[in-house]
Amino acid sequence: DIQMTQSPSSLSASVGDRVTITCRASQGISNYLAWYQQKPGKVPKLLIYAASTLQSGVPSRFSGSGSGTDFTLTISSLQSEDVAAYYCQKYNSAPLTFGGGTKVEIK
Amino acid sequence: EVQLVESGGGLVKPGGSLRLSCVASGFTFSSYWMNWARQAPGKGLEWVANIKQDESDKYYVDSVKGRFAISRDNAKNSLYLQMNSLRVDDTAVYYCARGYYDSGGTHFDYWGQGTLVTVSS
Repeated sequence: DIQMTQSPSSLSASVGDRVTITCRASQGISNYLAWYQQKPGKVPKLLIYAASTLQSGVPSRFSGSGSGTDFTLTISSLQSEDVAAYYCQKYNSAPLTFGGGTKVEIK
Repeated sequence: EVQLVESGGGLVKPGGSLRLSCVASGFTFSSYWMNWARQAPGKGLEWVANIKQDESDKYYVDSVKGRFAISRDNAKNSLYLQMNSLRVDDTAVYYCARGYYDSGGTHFDYWGQGTLVTVSS
C-alpha cells in the first residue's frame, strides 16, 4: 500500500507568515491528492482537491501544488483562524490513506 | 443543504458488536460513493471503508477486513457500518463522508459530525 508522509508534524508561525506543509507519497499518485483542515474540536473540512483545486468557499490564501509523489499546501499569510491540524489524503485507489497530520499554531 | 448524521455509537466490550448508521439529506444519495473514516482520541484521521453507489464495490482498510462490513440502503438515504469483534484500538470517533468523484477518484467533500465508539472492558 502507498504511504503518505507529512512534514513537519507541527509548526509555530506568526500571523502574516507564509506557511508550507509537505506531503510525500511512497509511490506516484498523479494528482489524486486532497488537503483537509480540522480545527480543534471540529469536523474535518475539505480545502483542496486534485492537488491544486481550491474547494468553493475556501480563502484564496490557501493553495496546493505538486504531482506524482511530492505535494505542498501553502498558506500565503497565516491568520489566527488557521490554527488547526492539516491532513493530506491520497484518493486514486483504496486504501484512501491520510497523512499523519500537521498541527499549525500561532507563535 | 447537504447533511450527514451519524448514530449508533456507544460503549461496548472487547469482542462485541455495534452497528453505525448515517442518514443523508440534501443531495441524491444514490449518486455518490460513501465512506467511513475514524479518528482515535488525540490521533489523526484514518479511512475505514467505502462503498460504490450500487454496492457493487466495497473496500476496507486492512485492520478491519473480516470484522467490519459497510452497506447502504439508497431507498432510505442511509449508510451503515456493522462492526464485529471489536478491539480496544477501534475506539474512535467514526465519521460518515460523501465521496465526490473527480476524474478517477473520490475525495471527501462533506463530513458528518461523527459518533463516538468506545471499546473497553
